[in-house]
Amino acid sequence: AQSVTQLDSQVPVFEEAPVELRCNYSSSVSVYLFWYVQYPNQGLQLLLKYLSGSTLVESINGFEAEFNKSQTSFHLRKPSVHISDTAEYFCAVAFSGGYNKLIFGAGTRLAVHP
Amino acid sequence: DTGVSQDPRHKITKRGQNVTFRCDPISEHNRLYWYRQTLGQGPEFLTYFQNEAQLEKSRLLSDRFSAERPKGSFSTLEIQRTEQGDSAMYLCASSSSGRGAADTQYFGPGTRLTVL
Repeated sequence: AQSVTQLDSQVPVFEEAPVELRCNYSSSVSVYLFWYVQYPNQGLQLLLKYLSGSTLVESINGFEAEFNKSQTSFHLRKPSVHISDTAEYFCAVAFSGGYNKLIFGAGTRLAVHP
Repeated sequence: DTGVSQDPRHKITKRGQNVTFRCDPISEHNRLYWYRQTLGQGPEFLTYFQNEAQLEKSRLLSDRFSAERPKGSFSTLEIQRTEQGDSAMYLCASSSSGRGAADTQYFGPGTRLTVL
């Protein structure tokens, strides 16, 4: 069965420290990978996505994620976090072969402390 | 702003009542999705429409659930004879067809259902 695992349910970090949110998936077919962010009392917003090509993808607010096919991972990183990055982060995959649904991980709550 | 909108934002109902939620997708998007999110979990796929055709339904969607998308525009999700286990956030998303599974899905703010 296809699944997504986010290894950390909560990640506390101090402001300006680096952070990595981990995501692993299982699939026997090609995948497309997404990170969504959900700020308090707001809807899900796309942060970045990997479709093909370069395995390193970046967002406009300093996050990046690297697709590692051999390790079936798509970890999200930021070298220096801000208070405003406090949110819930969801990793999601869509599987090639005609399926359109997203399979989400359980989410990682990033709490940035001053 | 022409994002995905959902109505109502909150719904409190008594067990056994029927409820209906509405989703208005981004106007040029022909694909529409419903997901359910419970506390502490990621969204779970419920169903998918391309235009007015419902092409996929999750096994999570019991016989008490029905979704429609008349004329390929807005969509409704109805839950009959609600149960306490139906309490969740119901999310709607839309996308435009192009790269199939690679389409970016844009999410609405959700409808939070509480069944007493």
